[in-house]
Amino acid sequence: AQSVTQLGSHVSVSEGALVLLRCNYSSSVPPYLFWYVQYPNQGLQLLLKYTTGATLVKGINGFEAEFKKSETSFHLTKPSAHMSDAAEYFCAVSVQGAQKLVFGQGTRLTINP
Amino acid sequence: NAGVTQTPKFRVLKTGQSMTLLCAQDMNHEYMYWYRQDPGMGLRLIHYSVGEGTTAKGEVPDGYNVSRLKKQNFLLGLESAAPSQTSVYFCASSMDRALNIQYFGAGTRLSVL
Repeated sequence: AQSVTQLGSHVSVSEGALVLLRCNYSSSVPPYLFWYVQYPNQGLQLLLKYTTGATLVKGINGFEAEFKKSETSFHLTKPSAHMSDAAEYFCAVSVQGAQKLVFGQGTRLTINP
Repeated sequence: NAGVTQTPKFRVLKTGQSMTLLCAQDMNHEYMYWYRQDPGMGLRLIHYSVGEGTTAKGEVPDGYNVSRLKKQNFLLGLESAAPSQTSVYFCASSMDRALNIQYFGAGTRLSVL
């Protein structure tokens, strides 16, 4: 079975600072990994995904994530935070052929002016 | 192209009342899902469907029923609402399970008094 742990339920950074949201996963087979973003009072939308191939994946709005198998991690980064990045971020794991995603608990990102 | 549409957006119920939440998708997706979102718990899967006429239990199915009579619609029913079912409910759909990229509706905020 797969599981996801997001370290830190709330992260606060200054505008222009580096954003780092941490995600660790557990899977007995090669995982598919996702980051979703949820803006206030909206549904989730896909930010980026890793399936196979290049371990550094780029998503929308300048975000990227790196799959590190040895560390079972898929941390999300953005070099320079913008006020519009304030949202809740969810890491999720699946495997090829699976019918379901397993979500982490979410990390709320606050941007300070 | 509306994507995934959920109705209603808000609802207040009294304990013991029943209601149905409707999810409609116009992307011809095979897979559909119902989640609930509670603070600090991420998204938890209630029920899902892998095609018209099929349903399956997720992580937290008790107190809910679902039906998928048409491919584009997935209904979530609460037969006798309880305060513990106060939550935000999200519907999602996916084209296939190879990648399992899910597209989410905007959510239904339900309060049970």
